[in-house]
Amino acid sequence: GQQVMQIPQYQHVQEGEDFTTYCNSSTTLSNIQWYKQRPGGHPVFLIQLVKSGEVKKQKRLTFQFGEAKKNSSLHITATQTTDVGTYFCAGCGNFGNEKLTFGTGTRLTIIP
Amino acid sequence: DGGITQSPKYLFRKEGQNVTLSCEQNLNHDAMYWYRQDPGQGLRLIYYSQIVNDFQKGDIAEGYSVSREKKESFPLTVTSAQKNPTAFYLCASTRGPYNEQFFGPGTRLTVL
Repeated sequence: GQQVMQIPQYQHVQEGEDFTTYCNSSTTLSNIQWYKQRPGGHPVFLIQLVKSGEVKKQKRLTFQFGEAKKNSSLHITATQTTDVGTYFCAGCGNFGNEKLTFGTGTRLTIIP
Repeated sequence: DGGITQSPKYLFRKEGQNVTLSCEQNLNHDAMYWYRQDPGQGLRLIYYSQIVNDFQKGDIAEGYSVSREKKESFPLTVTSAQKNPTAFYLCASTRGPYNEQFFGPGTRLTVL
């Protein structure tokens, strides 16, 4: 079945440093979604990427979808304490396999 | 105010007892999902339903059951057959498989 791997599992950064998490799928995806889960909370949708090679920005966050539509990344510039949480990618298969498969997540902690 | 509600937030049960977790949405979404989250892990799909009176097993359905009698409601029963039921359970809904998922606040189940 479809598997989505995410690295690293944990990342500790000084406030102001950059952060990147990577997502890799065993199969080609129709789209990829990113979610953020604050400690003790529930996942909240951040963005969806659909096109091969797509790049989207949300303020300090940059999301990329690979050319082969099998990998993706989330980059945060100049981290702030509000960025703390676990970031999940979730890949949706193609027609006939539309289940969303979540990656294992990257837990980001910020050292003030 | 549209959204997804899950109740209760915390639930304690004795081993061997069945327990039903509630999930209600007023977003008029067709699709609903149940996920299980264990510490340090991603979200694993238990069951999903794309339309009323129909549902499919996810990746870890053993020991769980669901019903979808109404569009707004998708209750999950954790049966005594589930060997390790202590976990954080999240319900989600979406307009369709290629759309963002909206999550409820979750129910933290502890089996003593």
